[in-house]
Amino acid sequence: EAGVVQSPRYKIIEKKQPVAFWCNPISGHNTLYWYRQNLGQGPELLIRYENEEAVDDSQLPKDRFSAERLKGVDSTLKIQPAELGDSAVYLCASSPGEGWEQYFGPGTRLTVT
Amino acid sequence: GQNIDQPTEMTATEGAIVQINCTYQTSGFNGLFWYQQHAGEAPTFLSYNVLDGLEEKGRFSSFLSRSKGYSYLLLKELQMKDSASYLCASSQLASGGSYIPTFGRGTSLIVHP
Repeated sequence: EAGVVQSPRYKIIEKKQPVAFWCNPISGHNTLYWYRQNLGQGPELLIRYENEEAVDDSQLPKDRFSAERLKGVDSTLKIQPAELGDSAVYLCASSPGEGWEQYFGPGTRLTVT
Repeated sequence: GQNIDQPTEMTATEGAIVQINCTYQTSGFNGLFWYQQHAGEAPTFLSYNVLDGLEEKGRFSSFLSRSKGYSYLLLKELQMKDSASYLCASSQLASGGSYIPTFGRGTSLIVHP
């Protein structure tokens, strides 16, 4: 069974440019998470989806970040415009439901110059 | 992550036993996860404790005390490949009525010969 797929794996952009990340969760997993992880830190939850509904998005900087999960499967996370402080690894994870163990994708390493 | 406390770094010798401690906020607590994360890779699930006590899974065991807000991960017969960051994550009830995973910053374990 395929795991969580993310693309791109690496992205380098200049500040003020837009960027988007894509995630395909494990088939049948209703819950999808987007995390941001800075070096030496644990993952920080940005947003959680239950099917196509966004819940727990209190940590998402809504002035520049947006996310969607159309049809309750794939999801995209967008930053516009990017700032230097957005440099981090963006992890997508899925689970069969709320409170279950999470399966993480390989992440997208974003560098903003 | 806020309210999760675990040591930043630990070192141990190959073949030895190491215990990684984690304390968390007990308010709204549902369960405690442990994940392993090798450098440059995504976290992988190790264990999930909901009830008090010790759960053993091969060389790894995890313990939980709900009343004390305390957990530990025990690694036996250490191998070089166990060098990684170990993330403690609590599942806690959020204001919206759902359970949100909160990660600690991780404990970097270095296993030396």
